[in-house]
Amino acid sequence: AQSVSQHNHHVILSEAASLELGCNYSYGGTVNLFWYVQYPGQHLQLLLKYFSGDPLVKGIKGFEAEFIKSKFSFNLRKPSVQWSDTAEYFCAVNAVMNYGGSQGNLIFGKGTKLSVKP
Amino acid sequence: EAQVTQNPRYLITVTGKKLTVTCSQNMNHEYMSWYRQDPGLGLRQIYYSMNVEVTDKGDVPEGYKVSRKEKRNFPLILESPSPNQTSLYFCASSPRWVSGFPETQYFGPGTRLLVL
Repeated sequence: AQSVSQHNHHVILSEAASLELGCNYSYGGTVNLFWYVQYPGQHLQLLLKYFSGDPLVKGIKGFEAEFIKSKFSFNLRKPSVQWSDTAEYFCAVNAVMNYGGSQGNLIFGKGTKLSVKP
Repeated sequence: EAQVTQNPRYLITVTGKKLTVTCSQNMNHEYMSWYRQDPGLGLRQIYYSMNVEVTDKGDVPEGYKVSRKEKRNFPLILESPSPNQTSLYFCASSPRWVSGFPETQYFGPGTRLLVL
């Protein structure tokens, strides 16, 4: 069965620090990859996604993520965080089947809480 | 305004009393899905629907039912709720797929359920 691991449960940074949140998945085939963000009291929003092509993906609000197939990883990065980035971040994976389509299920990691100190 | 709505937003009920949480989207999306969010467990998919009359199980379907009789609505039914179904529930929808998978999912505001 597929699974997604987010290694950091809670990350605390000061403003302007660089951010990297880890995400690893367990599926040997082709995948679609997502990062979602949940700001306090709000529902989830898509930060960025990877389906194919350039493994370095740029998303909203200055976030980017790099897909490294050999490492089964899709780490999220931001060069300089702001207090407004305080949120919970979720990595999610969807498996692409051999026939080219995918199952409709989406596997989420357990999330990483990011707290940015002003 | 394009949105996913859920009702009710908050619900307290007792074990065994059937309940339905409604989900509706006004974006003509084909794909809809239900998730539950629990502390330390992240989001887990309960059921999803690729289109009208097409539904399938996610990771944690036990104790839940869904139906998709029309494109805009995807209700979640708990026939006999139990305390372990106390959770925060999110509905999501997505337009037509790219590379065989739904594009960006748009999430509803959540329904907080407490089963006593």
